[in-house]
Amino acid sequence: AQSVTQLDSQVPVFEEAPVELRCNYSSSVSVYLFWYVQYPNQGLQLLLKYLSGSTLVKGINGFEAEFNKSQTSFHLRKPSVHISDTAEYFCAVSGAGGYQKVTFGTGTKLQVIP
Amino acid sequence: EADIYQTPRYLVIGTGKKITLECSQTMGHDKMYWYQQDPGMELHLIHYSYGVNSTEKGDLSSESTVSRIRTEHFPLTLESARPSHTSQYLCASSERSDNGGYTFGSGTRLTVV
Repeated sequence: AQSVTQLDSQVPVFEEAPVELRCNYSSSVSVYLFWYVQYPNQGLQLLLKYLSGSTLVKGINGFEAEFNKSQTSFHLRKPSVHISDTAEYFCAVSGAGGYQKVTFGTGTKLQVIP
Repeated sequence: EADIYQTPRYLVIGTGKKITLECSQTMGHDKMYWYQQDPGMELHLIHYSYGVNSTEKGDLSSESTVSRIRTEHFPLTLESARPSHTSQYLCASSERSDNGGYTFGSGTRLTVV
C-alpha cells in the first residue's frame, strides 16, 4: 500500500517570497512522483514529475522539486512566487512501471499575498 | 489541440434523476479515469479503463457505472441521483506507460437537490 501526506493544508506567502510545499510518501516499491496544480474551477494540471535519474526535477512556471529517498519526501519549491501562483497543489505517488495505482494527497492551498 | 473535455461543467439536478457525465479525449490515450473530489479530501478513484471494453471499479464505492465503447469516450452514468452524490467529478487520461502523468478535464460540479 502507498500513501501521500501533505502536512500543510494552507500556506500563505507574500508575493516575491520563496515557498516550499511539503510532501511525504510511503511505499514499499520504487515510485514515480508527481506534483499537480489546480486553479479555481479547473481540473488538475501536471507541474512536474520524477521517474528516475536526477533527484532535482524542474517543472513549469518556475517550480522545482527534490526527491529525497531517505526521507521519503518530494517537496515543491519556487524561489519567488507571483499572484498567479495562487492555487491548490496536489502531490501524487504511483508505483514505478505501467498499470500502477496513483494515490493523491489532500492538497495544499497556496495563497500569495500582494 | 490535444485535450480532454468534460460536459456539463455545472449541473443541478433533482433526486432520483438519471444523469450522464460526458468525458472525451483527443490524445488517443489508452487509459481513462474518473475521480471524485471533495474539499479538503484526497481525490478518490471511482472508475478506470485500460482500453476499449475494459472498465473497473476504483477504490471508492460508487453507485455510478461507466462504459468504454470508443477509445476517446468514457461517460459516467448515475441511474438515480441522490444528495450524497453532490461533488466534483474529474475525468483524466494517460498513456499506457503512465510516465507522463495524467491529463485532467476541467471537471463537472454536480449538485443533487
